[in-house]
Amino acid sequence: SQQGEEDPQALSIQEGENATMNCSYKTSINNLQWYRQNSGRGLVHLILIRSNEREKHSGRLRVTLDTSKKSSSLLITASRAADTASYFCATDSWGKFQFGAGTQVVVTP
Amino acid sequence: DAGVTQSPTHLIKTRGQQVTLRCSPKSGHDTVSWYQQALGQGPQFIFQYYEEEERQRGNFPDRFSGHQFPNYSSELNVNALLLGDSALYLCASSLDFQRGYNEQFFGPGTRLTVL
Repeated sequence: SQQGEEDPQALSIQEGENATMNCSYKTSINNLQWYRQNSGRGLVHLILIRSNEREKHSGRLRVTLDTSKKSSSLLITASRAADTASYFCATDSWGKFQFGAGTQVVVTP
Repeated sequence: DAGVTQSPTHLIKTRGQQVTLRCSPKSGHDTVSWYQQALGQGPQFIFQYYEEEERQRGNFPDRFSGHQFPNYSSELNVNALLLGDSALYLCASSLDFQRGYNEQFFGPGTRLTVL
C-alpha cells in the first residue's frame, strides 16, 4: 500500500510557469521528502522537510508541510523543459519509507 | 565516488524461477533499502538492511528475501517468480537514520521481466 497520495496525477505547463503538486499521508512521520524520476530511471532526492518544520526552500523549489493536515506541497518556480519528470513524495517513519504514486509533470517550451 | 550501483540492468526470467539482484551502496553508507516499482506506480518499500540485519519490512511475502554483507552491499532474492513480480527494482542507500541522516541515494534499478 502507498502512504502518500499525490495530486494532481499529471500536470502540463509551459516554460516559465510555476508547478504545484500536493501530497497527503496517513501516519505519523519524522520527515517527508520529495524525489524526481526521469523516464523510469533511479530517483533523485530533491528536498527533505522535518516534521517540526513548516517550510523549506532550495533553489527554485519550495516545500511546505502541515502535520495537522498530514499534507505537503512542492512548488517549482519558473519551470524549465528539463523539469519534465515524475515527482514523488516519500514519508519517512523512523527508517520506513513510503512513496506516493507520483505526479507526472510535462513542461513544454 | 561511485554512487549506488545495481546489477544486472535488465533480466528476463520465467514463472517459477528464482532471481538474485545486487546492490552496492554509496561509499560510506551503511543502510540499504529495496523497492519495487511497477509501471506507472510509485516505489513500494520491500525491506531495509542495517548491520547485516533486516530492520524494516514492507508488505511483501516471504518469497522476497535479502542479505547484507559486511561491506554493506546487499542482495535481493525473489523465489517462485510470478508474472506480477515484473517491475523495476530499486536499491537505495543511506546512513543510519538514527544518526539523523535520512536522504536516500538511489541506484538506476534492475528491470525484471517475468514471462
